[in-house]
Amino acid sequence: NAGVMQNPRHLVRRRGQEARLRCSPMKGHSHVYWYRQLPEEGLKFMVYLQKENIIDESGMPKERFSAEFPKEGPSILRIQQVVRGDSAAYFCASSPGENEKLFFGSGTQLSVL
Amino acid sequence: QQPVQSPQAVILREGEDAVINCSSSKALYSVHWYRQKHGEAPVFLMILLKGGEQKGHDKISASFNEKKQQSSLYLTASQLSYSGTYFCGTEIPGTYKYIFGTGTRLKVLA
Repeated sequence: NAGVMQNPRHLVRRRGQEARLRCSPMKGHSHVYWYRQLPEEGLKFMVYLQKENIIDESGMPKERFSAEFPKEGPSILRIQQVVRGDSAAYFCASSPGENEKLFFGSGTQLSVL
Repeated sequence: QQPVQSPQAVILREGEDAVINCSSSKALYSVHWYRQKHGEAPVFLMILLKGGEQKGHDKISASFNEKKQQSSLYLTASQLSYSGTYFCGTEIPGTYKYIFGTGTRLKVLA
């Protein structure tokens, strides 16, 4: 039973390019969360999705950031026109339901040059 | 809105005990605890669901006081493997937003 799969593990982009981060939740999990973490800091909530629905995106910047969790395929966190301040570790987590423990992926380390 | 953890950081010698606190300004209906080692993903430790509930896992235990809106994590006879950053996590009541506390960095020395 595979865990939460995130790819790529490391992503390097130049300023102005687009970054696409993928997350496949654990089998049977319909709840997906995305978090951002800066070095030596905590996990900042970005967005919570269920299949085909964005439930809470209150932690997402209003511009350049978007997320989706289609009926088929992984959840995608998309960052358009990246800037240096977007450099961070982005973690995806999944759970089987509300108020259940979260299972985390290994994260994607985004570096913007 | 983010739960506040204390202390921010703690250094222990192997075999010593530590307590990590998590306090919220909002009502808590449940608290989860996670540990994150450097460069890795957070890993779930335990969940506390009811006010006053206590749980234990090996030499790590936790309590949850719903009325005081706080939870504490107790690490006894610490081992080198306990080093990492500990986060409390909770779902904000009435929302689907799952947030984490400010974190406590724990380092155990031989």
